[in-house]
Amino acid sequence: AQSVAQPEDQVNVAEGNPLTVKCTYSVSGNPYLFWYVQYPNRGLQFLLKYITGDNLVKGSYGFEAEFNKSQTSFHLKKPSALVSDSALYFCAVRDMAGSSNTGKLIFGQGTTLQVKP
Amino acid sequence: NAGVTQTPKFRILKIGQSMTLQCTQDMNHNYMYWYRQDPGMGLKLIYYSVGAGITDKGEVPNGYNVSRSTTEDFPLRLELAAPSQTSVYFCASNPLGTVEAFFGQGTRLTVV
Repeated sequence: AQSVAQPEDQVNVAEGNPLTVKCTYSVSGNPYLFWYVQYPNRGLQFLLKYITGDNLVKGSYGFEAEFNKSQTSFHLKKPSALVSDSALYFCAVRDMAGSSNTGKLIFGQGTTLQVKP
Repeated sequence: NAGVTQTPKFRILKIGQSMTLQCTQDMNHNYMYWYRQDPGMGLKLIYYSVGAGITDKGEVPNGYNVSRSTTEDFPLRLELAAPSQTSVYFCASNPLGTVEAFFGQGTRLTVV
């Protein structure tokens, strides 16, 4: 079965330090991977995606993610965290089950990032 | 360009009542989706549509119905509200051939 796991419910980091939010996946075939961010009482905003090509993907707000096929991981990273990065982060994979690509997403359970001044 | 718009933003329903959550997009996207978000559970797909007149069930469709009479609109209907349907509901859309979805701001529904 296809799935996404975010092993940490919460990640705490000091402002200015590097941050990592972990994500592992299980899909058949080549994965389409995404990171979304949700600020309080808001919808989900797209951060970045991996479809093919370079394993290091750069996205919005200085975030990047590294695709590692052998470890089936897609960890979100940022070199220097900001207090304003505090939010709920979701990793997702395109649901490739069935004969057509319908754009359905399978989400991880989410990781709350707290950046302290 | 408003993107994906959901109404209402908040709603309290009594058990057994019915309501429709509205979703409209102005980007001419073919694909539309309804997800529900429960704490610690991520988002689960309720229903989706690949075009006007075509809908299909997602992972958690029980207790819900949808219709897609136009490209723009994808309403979600709750016929007999139950406490288990207390959740935050997100509508999303996706253009054919592109990969990332665009999400609405969500509807927070409480069933008491």
